[in-house]
Amino acid sequence: DGGITQSPKYLFRKEGQNVTLSCEQNLNHDAMYWYRQDPGQGLRLIYYSQIVNDFQKGDIAEGYSVSREKKESFPLTVTSAQKNPTAFYLCASSRQGTSGYTFGSGTRLTVV
Amino acid sequence: GESVGLHLPTLSVQEGDNSIINCAYSNSASDYFIWYKQESGKGPQFIIDIRSNMDKRQGQRVTVLLNKTVKHLSLQIAATQPGDSAVYFCADYSGGSNYKLTFGKGTLLTVNP
Repeated sequence: DGGITQSPKYLFRKEGQNVTLSCEQNLNHDAMYWYRQDPGQGLRLIYYSQIVNDFQKGDIAEGYSVSREKKESFPLTVTSAQKNPTAFYLCASSRQGTSGYTFGSGTRLTVV
Repeated sequence: GESVGLHLPTLSVQEGDNSIINCAYSNSASDYFIWYKQESGKGPQFIIDIRSNMDKRQGQRVTVLLNKTVKHLSLQIAATQPGDSAVYFCADYSGGSNYKLTFGKGTLLTVNP
């Protein structure tokens, strides 16, 4: 079955450490996206990529970094510069020319 | 959709009632709209979509209405069930080379048995 996989589902890290969240899709989608969701709130766009080796900042990119070396993969690194990293992180993908997103099941990051 | 980052509006209904969830969008150039359902701890799932050349579209137990004059979108759920309890997001797309959806703030629907 085609889909989008985020791992791990739960992640705990100490304050000051960088951490990388994985997102892999086998849908042959060109575009991929990372969103942050805080409790009781909506989705905020962190980064997005429309093509391999290219990506753009979203609304809240500070303290995050991404790479897009392969079409299937769009990992997100939460750096120590992110002041409040504890949140639920969602990855999504879509085909060029359409706009419906397929979402992963999310990674809940807790920084202690 | 409207800007995110605010706490969610809530809607509480009795099982078997019809639910109506509303959404306002700001971009008059938006030509494609989607409703997503997000259950607790999971990623959003596609429910139904509608193009701007339509004003109504029906799915299984769901209907989306689009009023472009006032830039308003609604999702109607018939005979609401406890399994419908979730956060519902609207999203809109204005086309062009930037394939980004703009998401609304979401509405938390609670269905009481």
